[in-house]
Amino acid sequence: LAKTTQPISMDSYEGQEVNITCSHNNIATNDYITWYQQFPSQGPRFIIQGYKTKVTNEVASLFIPADRKSSTLSLPRVSLSDTAVYYCLVVSTGTASKLTFGTGTRLQVTL
Amino acid sequence: SAVISQKPSRDICQRGTSLTIQCQVDSQVTMMFWYRQQPGQSLTLIATANQGSEATYESGFVIDKFPISRPNLTFSTLTVSNMSPEDSSIYLCSVGLAGGRTEAFFGQGTRLTVV
Repeated sequence: LAKTTQPISMDSYEGQEVNITCSHNNIATNDYITWYQQFPSQGPRFIIQGYKTKVTNEVASLFIPADRKSSTLSLPRVSLSDTAVYYCLVVSTGTASKLTFGTGTRLQVTL
Repeated sequence: SAVISQKPSRDICQRGTSLTIQCQVDSQVTMMFWYRQQPGQSLTLIATANQGSEATYESGFVIDKFPISRPNLTFSTLTVSNMSPEDSSIYLCSVGLAGGRTEAFFGQGTRLTVV
């Protein structure tokens, strides 16, 4: 599986848009990009998944360029409750629930 | 989705003892996994719990230390054996669903402290 690299931490003020970029240079044709969110004392929670271009749901948007070597998770108008660790993962078709976690990005949102 | 219940939610154990963690899912699932999350760290996959057969362990984890059972499609246990303070971690159960679903669902975790 492709190794992912993302910033260790980010800070934001409430109400701002937050963009977390992840690089995955060795992504394979059958791989998807998936993001999970983990709050303290909880297990990770699936946020969004994409293969290419742009995916949007009620929580976030995911931007993937044509070469798929990177992706950007965009959180619109963050609130204090968005303070969490965000993990970027590359998952393969057929083994998508067996996950290899990287370091994650610790997002701290303040007033 | 799947609702996962882990027991106990936390425990403090003496070194040299063993603890069995239970994972109960509200529906039948195809894949079940166990992860470890050491303090301040990311998650590391311990093993895949296979229904009716021996678990498949990742590099660095062995059956003698982390025996796993999965008697049916909704339940699994992970035992942390002969514990030492280095085993203090959060242990998480995760499941994957069939039918082309690509996300995994996680339990709340079991916070283990070994003293």
